[in-house]
Amino acid sequence: QKEVEQNSGPLSVPEGAIASLNCTYSDRGSQSFFWYRQYSGKSPELIMSIYSNGDKEDGRFTAQLNKASQYVSLLIRDSQPSDSATYLCAVGDSSASKIIFGSGTRLSIRP
Amino acid sequence: GAVVSQHPSRVICKSGTSVKIECRSLDFQATTMFWYRQFPKKSLMLMATSNEGSKATYEQGVEKDKFLINHASLTLSTLTVTSAHPEDSSFYICAPISLGSYNEQFFGPGTRLTVL
Repeated sequence: QKEVEQNSGPLSVPEGAIASLNCTYSDRGSQSFFWYRQYSGKSPELIMSIYSNGDKEDGRFTAQLNKASQYVSLLIRDSQPSDSATYLCAVGDSSASKIIFGSGTRLSIRP
Repeated sequence: GAVVSQHPSRVICKSGTSVKIECRSLDFQATTMFWYRQFPKKSLMLMATSNEGSKATYEQGVEKDKFLINHASLTLSTLTVTSAHPEDSSFYICAPISLGSYNEQFFGPGTRLTVL
């Protein structure tokens, strides 16, 4: 059973601080990794994709991938109240036929 | 990102009726369509994968005769929940992808189904 694990939270972070979200996955052959943001009652929105080891930055977001440790993370700098949402980690399976979602981490940014 | 529409956004129906949900990719050709459902406070669960012009592949535990998927064109796929029951009440979301997109999925806005 291929799995993607996330801490469900809630993770509470003060406004302006860095929020760090973590994810581990079981399929060593995975080649694609994604972070989605989902507001309550809405569908997920893709915010980052990463395919190779290291860091990838996009604005206030940085995705980090370590395939050897089967670990992917998302850093959100200068956290804003609008960042409060559930963040879903998703991993493309090794057959590249689908992606597997974690259960999500609920992030709350307190003013 | 890609532009995806779903219709209807919300539907309430009586038990035993069938409900059809449409998913359209507006600015690209969707060679593959994923259909998910999400129960309250739970993660996304993949129901089925369909490729344009061929039969859908259903995940374990998803009844293919109950959840009918049609992917007749590169811009439209439909999911029909047949003989819906209260336990089918959920948030249904489509995610079309195109060839070469490396599994990058852009979700439709979702359809909230409530079966009374």
